[in-house]
Amino acid sequence: QVQLQESGPGLVKPSGTLSLTCAVSGGPISSSNWWSWVRQSPGKGLEWIGEIYHSGSTNYNPSLKSRVTISVDKSKNQFSLKVSSVTAADTAVYYCARGRDWGYGDVRFDYWGQGTLVTVSS
Amino acid sequence: DIVMTQSPDSLAVSLGERATINCKSSQSVLYSSNNKNYLSWYQQKPGQPPKLLIYWASTRESGVPDRFSGSGTGTDFTLTISSLQAEDVAAYYCQQYYSTPRTFGQGTKVEIK
Repeated sequence: QVQLQESGPGLVKPSGTLSLTCAVSGGPISSSNWWSWVRQSPGKGLEWIGEIYHSGSTNYNPSLKSRVTISVDKSKNQFSLKVSSVTAADTAVYYCARGRDWGYGDVRFDYWGQGTLVTVSS
Repeated sequence: DIVMTQSPDSLAVSLGERATINCKSSQSVLYSSNNKNYLSWYQQKPGQPPKLLIYWASTRESGVPDRFSGSGTGTDFTLTISSLQAEDVAAYYCQQYYSTPRTFGQGTKVEIK
């Protein structure tokens, strides 16, 4: 059974950098999957941040692209998210998710982490 | 970006009755190479991550009760709960995976009347 677990600071100061890691267990990160970050502001809907393949290929949401970096560490079976220049608007629950690649661009989220709340405040 | 719009934003349904949620995409999510609609439905209960219910617009994920069904093609889709149970109280989201950025609908909250 694949499991994902987010970790990182729960409080980040404005203008700082938010850094989170998603540890993957139950299967290798070097498989036919895209590894995504999705966030949910308090009481709001879901926003896809971006994704990475084990090769290092990435796709980002244009709305956040200038501030976001997603990386993968195959030796630790984990991937990471960095969001720079954060403001209160970046306060959210951050989820990592597996996008199983079934071919023909068919990538759907079948496993999710439990999520971690990150608050941006001084 | 493909914009996903759900309706209604919330609905209250009596136990055992039918709940219907609509989702409209700003452009077709039908992938011509395999004739599949790249549209998923997720259920999210408070304090939990989303759970995949339906993919390809109408295929239930393994383990999902058959009271959940999806339909539609192209740009218009529907999630139906045929007989609402207490454990179905949740927010439901449609999501397209036809292109990046992957986008979600704003969500529909289902409650018991």
